[in-house]
Amino acid sequence: GNSVTQMEGPVTLSEEAFLTINCTYTATGYPSLFWYVQYPGEGLQLLLKATKADDKGSNKGFEATYRKETTSFHLEKGSVQVSDSAVYFCALTSPGDYGQNFVFGPGTRLSVLP
Amino acid sequence: SAVISQKPSRDICQRGTSLTIQCQVDSQVTMMFWYRQQPGQSLTLIATANQGSEATYESGFVIDKFPISRPNLTFSTLTVSNMSPEDSSIYLCSVESFGGEQYFGPGTRLTVT
Repeated sequence: GNSVTQMEGPVTLSEEAFLTINCTYTATGYPSLFWYVQYPGEGLQLLLKATKADDKGSNKGFEATYRKETTSFHLEKGSVQVSDSAVYFCALTSPGDYGQNFVFGPGTRLSVLP
Repeated sequence: SAVISQKPSRDICQRGTSLTIQCQVDSQVTMMFWYRQQPGQSLTLIATANQGSEATYESGFVIDKFPISRPNLTFSTLTVSNMSPEDSSIYLCSVESFGGEQYFGPGTRLTVT
């Protein structure tokens, strides 16, 4: 079946540091790939997505490129802020009999210190 | 876009009781899903809520424990039956719009004592 693997957290960085959160996947066919963010006490929010190979999703300074050859979708940001402290989930969807539903990675908690 | 509301937003319940969670969308959607997020864990799909027919459950989840209704294209309920402390989780409603976009509700935080 489909699966998503993320780097273990928590990740602690200083403000303005470079961020990479690794994500790799296993899927049949051609999945769509997503990064979701969950701020403390809030629900899931879509951060960015990519629907085909070599697509780059970007939002709020975050980027991720759909790499089919390495089955990866690593999240990067050049300069993190304290407000980026949250849990980040990599996820995928594949068309199925019952529509598209998500497979999520375990989440990576990011703490950014001032 | 689709705006999703869930009720209640949180609840504390006693062991052995049941709680029904409501999910309301501000526009008609094709698919509705229910997920569980246990403390410190990722999200796990419980079931797909089908309009006018029985929900489709994922492995490890059964209708007797998590009965689901979906009477129309904008509303669904999930009941957590005969609760135990292990059911303490965040329960999230998710939808797919007719445009193929996916959205998540704010979640219902359930604590079972």
